Amino acid sequence: DTGVSQNPRHKITKRGQNVTFRCDPISEHNRLYWYRQTLGQGPEFLTYFQNEAQLEKSRLLSDRFSAERPKGSFSTLEIQRTEQGDSAMYLCASSLDEQYFGPGTRLTVT
Amino acid sequence: GEDVEQSLFLSVREGDSSVINCTYTDSSSTYLYWYKQEPGAGLQLLTYIFSNMDMKQDQRLTVLLNKKDKHLSLRIADTQTGDSAIYFCAESISSGSARQLTFGSGTQLTVLP
Repeated sequence: DTGVSQNPRHKITKRGQNVTFRCDPISEHNRLYWYRQTLGQGPEFLTYFQNEAQLEKSRLLSDRFSAERPKGSFSTLEIQRTEQGDSAMYLCASSLDEQYFGPGTRLTVT
Repeated sequence: GEDVEQSLFLSVREGDSSVINCTYTDSSSTYLYWYKQEPGAGLQLLTYIFSNMDMKQDQRLTVLLNKKDKHLSLRIADTQTGDSAIYFCAESISSGSARQLTFGSGTQLTVLP
């Protein structure tokens, strides 16, 4: 399979715990995006990487969120001290031009 | 500011055409996209149109862009039950090297047999 993959697909965690998600983009894509999608809404942009450089961050990305793309290939998104409001689908997309999305990681914070 | 709006629901009968509408506000949008999302899945890119075009056709899909009114539509010909999904319109605004997408809230298309 040569599409964008994300792991895990589902994560249930207790409030206050840290979680980390992984995204593996399409191999030749140099751009990688993270979005968040809550129920009944479209995805909202969180952050963008070109190769290993994080070039843009949304104001939605609070200090508890950090994203990395250390070798310009896979990326991780970590949320520290999770809150119930963090419950959402976290989507990764990669691109040369058009963005292709992975299946997402659904986070539930109890 | 950026805002993309879509109607929430559309029902059509199998075999009919579906037309999903979208309005956007940012006149500097360079590309406009249609994505499809099935339950529990990520977004599938259906088609896109560059802002200097007014129409694009791709098999059963026709995209119309009225840049003056900032109105985008997606027509699906001969709609099938497998087309039932949520359809998102998105505008792309280039910011440096990024091309972040701003999405509407999605239109839930239900195809009735």
